[in-house]
Amino acid sequence: EIMMTQSPATLSVSPGERATLSCRAGQSINSNLAWYQQKPGQAPRLLIYGASTRATGIPARFSGSGSGTEFTLTISSLQSEDFAVYYCQQYNNWPLTFGGGTKVEIK
Amino acid sequence: QVQLVQSGAEVKKPGASVKVSCKASGYTFTAYSMHWVRQAPGQRPEWMGWINTGNGNTIYSQKFQGRVTVARDTSASTGYMELSSLRSEDTAVYYCVRAMYGGNCGDFWGQGTLVTVSS
Repeated sequence: EIMMTQSPATLSVSPGERATLSCRAGQSINSNLAWYQQKPGQAPRLLIYGASTRATGIPARFSGSGSGTEFTLTISSLQSEDFAVYYCQQYNNWPLTFGGGTKVEIK
Repeated sequence: QVQLVQSGAEVKKPGASVKVSCKASGYTFTAYSMHWVRQAPGQRPEWMGWINTGNGNTIYSQKFQGRVTVARDTSASTGYMELSSLRSEDTAVYYCVRAMYGGNCGDFWGQGTLVTVSS
């Protein structure tokens, strides 16, 4: 099973600032990484797949990068609706596994 | 528009089984595989299993092997997940998730079904 580790666990950011979230895989997953956003009481929503491709309808302020074992999600200018928990997920190997999440909170 | 509508909340006793349904609409059901993912309170999502909705082939997480069964009814465009021998640690929200075409990440999620296991 591939372990996915996210950092930091919590990120305090002011609206309009940039947020950078990290995700590390325990072994190479090529570019088979997705990022999801989850708000309280809601299902996760796909933001990024293939490590860097935005899903349909996702604003351009969300961008993903990386390959192999190191990945980054960047939110260029945080809006009020972006405060949420973000999860990375690898889908290179069975079982699919998720990171522990980064909570982006208002500073 | 793509929709995955799941069955309602369940309360079960330890040792019982639960079956969650997921009705798909807005796309060709058999063209996209389906995952089942659960999330315990305050925890990360946890992948349980996958089904090729076209041919019925399944893959399960070893953690749930023997306790979980994923199935589909193509005539009803509905997926099912059954979990047996329930224990308190199975209390979670269970999601069906459409697998993106050509990949295995989840592009559409059901609204979730809360399963509570309590004596």
